[in-house]
Amino acid sequence: GAVVSQHPSRVICKSGTSVKIECRSLDFQATTMFWYRQFPKQSLMLMATSNEGSKATYEQGVEKDKFLINHASLTLSTLTVTSAHPEDSSFYICSARAGTDQETQYFGPGTRLLVL
Amino acid sequence: GQNIDQPTEMTATEGAIVQINCTYQTSGFNGLFWYQQHAGEAPTFLSYNVLDGLEEKGRFSSFLSRSKGYSYLLLKELQMKDSASYLCAVMDSNYQLIWGAGTKLIIKP
Repeated sequence: GAVVSQHPSRVICKSGTSVKIECRSLDFQATTMFWYRQFPKQSLMLMATSNEGSKATYEQGVEKDKFLINHASLTLSTLTVTSAHPEDSSFYICSARAGTDQETQYFGPGTRLLVL
Repeated sequence: GQNIDQPTEMTATEGAIVQINCTYQTSGFNGLFWYQQHAGEAPTFLSYNVLDGLEEKGRFSSFLSRSKGYSYLLLKELQMKDSASYLCAVMDSNYQLIWGAGTKLIIKP
């Protein structure tokens, strides 16, 4: 089946620093990638949807300038948490959808971010 | 608004059967998904229903009734490793997933 990878799997950083998370589709071209955030014991919350080569569409309440998303190629999307604060500590999960299959999203393994 | 409801937590015994229900109200419908999520991990796909009826896949089955906005996930012959959260998600008319909060399933020996 299709594989989506994320890097890093876990990151600890100091407050005020920026963190970049990569999401790659390894064996298919992902025309659309999604970024989710999950706080403990809560459901996945969609942060933004990105289509290759265009600006990401952010969900209401998600700060565009804080969570920078770049989908520069059909196999790579990046999420940069700028000036991270402890409240940004969360589990960030990306998923990817191939252009030919609207119904299926393939999830990455997630990145656990801890901001001290 | 869009809404997915499922129980917060369920407990079952190893070897038994458990049914996790999900009701939904969404703008459009392009299928219902069940995912399993172990603590600290990303969700893994279990099943997809777009037509009414029962889909069976090994020990897991999923049922859908579109007219009732209702689905359930049935787990048979429960094993300790089935202890996890089970997430119900509906794909809306824009092909975006609307997620339920998940049901934490606790399996006891």
